[in-house]
Amino acid sequence: RKEVEQDPGPFNVPEGATVAFNCTYSNSASQSFFWYRQDCRKEPKLLMSVYSSGNEDGRFTAQLNRASQYISLLIRDSKLSDSATYLCVVSGGGFKTIFGAGTRLFVKA
Amino acid sequence: NAGVTQTPKFQVLKTGQSMTLQCAQDMNHEYMSWYRQDPGMGLRLIHYSVGAGITDQGEVPNGYNVSRSTTEDFPLRLLSAAPSQTSVYFCASSSLGANTEAFFGQGTRLTVV
Repeated sequence: RKEVEQDPGPFNVPEGATVAFNCTYSNSASQSFFWYRQDCRKEPKLLMSVYSSGNEDGRFTAQLNRASQYISLLIRDSKLSDSATYLCVVSGGGFKTIFGAGTRLFVKA
Repeated sequence: NAGVTQTPKFQVLKTGQSMTLQCAQDMNHEYMSWYRQDPGMGLRLIHYSVGAGITDQGEVPNGYNVSRSTTEDFPLRLLSAAPSQTSVYFCASSSLGANTEAFFGQGTRLTVV
């Protein structure tokens, strides 16, 4: 079993749609959780950290469920510019930072 | 602001050749790491370091060596290149501690023929 598993993509949604991505992790000692965004042929960049209480940044909402070892990302009112690959990232438990395989999102006009 | 600098950006090697991918950061980050990214596989951790003189293996360390003689530099050495090492390589750095952002270099596209 992979340490971090994500929904398989791609997700194809129209502009204005709401889309949700899920992620599960296997190491219960994990301490930090993130969503990164990666554009085609570019390096990953931090989208947002994920906190136990849940957190929101504009149209993006992240949730963490430690008991189920589950992380989610919700994107509301999707824009064309949201088209990218979204990477679930988990770190801790020995300093390793592990990335999920990523979920591709295509937002269409 | 340089951030994380990786060189080269592109490289073609013949099977059996060796080479070093360079990575340098100017943010005084303790943690540095190397990943490879293959289609459908996401980023897989090769090696990482929590400070000068300290390195450890990640998920896919075979065929790669690293060293960390300074805080700033974390080179990745391919000892004897194989076609299976054709990939995009990313170097990243961050502070230690919870919820710290990792900053990535622009990547090195390596092809082994």
